[in-house]
Amino acid sequence: QKEVEQNSGPLSVPEGAIASLNCTYSDRVSQSFFWYRQYSGKSPELIMSIYSNGDKEDGRFTAQLNKASQYVSLLIRDSQPSDSATYLCAVNDDYKLSFGAGTTVTVRA
Amino acid sequence: NAGVTQTPKFRILKIGQSMTLQCAQDMNHNYMYWYRQDPGMGLKLIYYSVGAGITDKGEVPNGYNVSRSTTEDFPLRLELAAPSQTSVYFCASSRRTGSNTGELFFGEGSRLTVL
Repeated sequence: QKEVEQNSGPLSVPEGAIASLNCTYSDRVSQSFFWYRQYSGKSPELIMSIYSNGDKEDGRFTAQLNKASQYVSLLIRDSQPSDSATYLCAVNDDYKLSFGAGTTVTVRA
Repeated sequence: NAGVTQTPKFRILKIGQSMTLQCAQDMNHNYMYWYRQDPGMGLKLIYYSVGAGITDKGEVPNGYNVSRSTTEDFPLRLELAAPSQTSVYFCASSRRTGSNTGELFFGEGSRLTVL
C-alpha cells in the first residue's frame, strides 16, 4: 500500500481562523486525492476530492494539489467549532485508497 | 437508501473465538473494502473486492478471511480471535471511475474487543 504522510497535530485554531492541513504521498502515478472528515466515534465522510494540479474550492474548504511535489493540502477558512474533527488524507492506489494517519483539528471558541 | 450497512455495531470476543462481521451495500457498487482503525491511527486495508467472486489482500490480511458471492455482500471472517484484533472495523464501497476507484462510502463501523 502506498505511503501517505500527514502532519500529526493536534492542530488547535481559534474560531474564525484558517486551519491548514498538509499531506504528502509516495507514488508519483497517483491520480485521485481525497480529504475525509471523521468525527469522534463516527465513520469517515468525504469533504473534498481533487484530481488536477491547482486549487479547488468548495464553500469554506480549499484543496490544493501539486503533483510535482507530491503534495496535497486542505485549508479550512473561518473555522467553526463544528470543524473540530480528524481529517484524513487519502490517495488512490489502483482499485483502493491509501489513508494517512489523520490530523486532529480543534477549533476553540 | 441504506447505503452501507454493517452488523454488529459492537461485539466482545474471547481469545480463540471466531466470528463474522457482516457488510451489505445497496448502491450496486463494484468495489468493496474492509479497513481497520486502531486508536489515533489511520485506516489500514484488510481485504478488498473488485466484483463478485474476486477478492484480494490488503495491507493487514493475517487472521482474516473474506468472500464475495454477490455484489451486495462482503462478510469479514475472524478466525481464532487475538487481542491484536481489537479495533474498529469499517466496511466501504465505491463505484469504478475509469481505471481507478472513486469516492468511498463507509458503513457506521463495528467495534470489536477481544479479551
